[in-house]
Amino acid sequence: KAGVTQTPRYLIKTRGQQVTLSCSPISGHRSVSWYQQTPGQGLQFLFEYFSETQRNKGNFPGRFSGRQFSNSRSEMNVSTLELGDSALYLCASSLDPVGEQFFGPGTRLTVL
Amino acid sequence: AQSVSQHNHHVILSEAASLELGCNYSYGGTVNLFWYVQYPGQHLQLLLKYFSGDPLVKGIKGFEAEFIKSKFSFNLRKPSVQWSDTAEYFCAVIHGSSNTGKLIFGQGTTLQVKP
Repeated sequence: KAGVTQTPRYLIKTRGQQVTLSCSPISGHRSVSWYQQTPGQGLQFLFEYFSETQRNKGNFPGRFSGRQFSNSRSEMNVSTLELGDSALYLCASSLDPVGEQFFGPGTRLTVL
Repeated sequence: AQSVSQHNHHVILSEAASLELGCNYSYGGTVNLFWYVQYPGQHLQLLLKYFSGDPLVKGIKGFEAEFIKSKFSFNLRKPSVQWSDTAEYFCAVIHGSSNTGKLIFGQGTTLQVKP
């Protein structure tokens, strides 16, 4: 079974731009969660989607948004990028929302 | 707010030494508990998990963890570490009754094993 895939793997953007990251979950997984990983703040929950519905959102500004499609693939969008948005963005999928989450390799976003 | 605390930020051990990494969480309800590992250049992968039952759980690569409900703890152990165990270790909690995939992670512990 293929694992969680994320595209692109690396992105370089400048302040003020916007970015869209994509995540394809493991086949059959309907729950997709997103996390931001930085050296200073560690791993922080962004949001979770299940059956195209956002069911939980972390403590991030409205510039961070996401969606899930009917095939469970998910995208997250960050608008008006700031330097502090530079991070590794991880996507995880699970069969059971409160069960084991399988993580993708992440998208490394650098904001200049 | 719910939180997860890992006691050690950076641990250095020699090969064959025993390992214990501490983890405490602050939520009093039903929780599912996890330890994830991130090897250099690799993505997060699950070491072990606890949902219910025997509080001593065994994971991959010889790791085990003990859930002590009264202490809100889920400490990770390995009797004899290897150089290949060098990695970052994360304890994580999910509220069992929340029905949402919100993992709360500890700050992580960097383990360096000297050959």
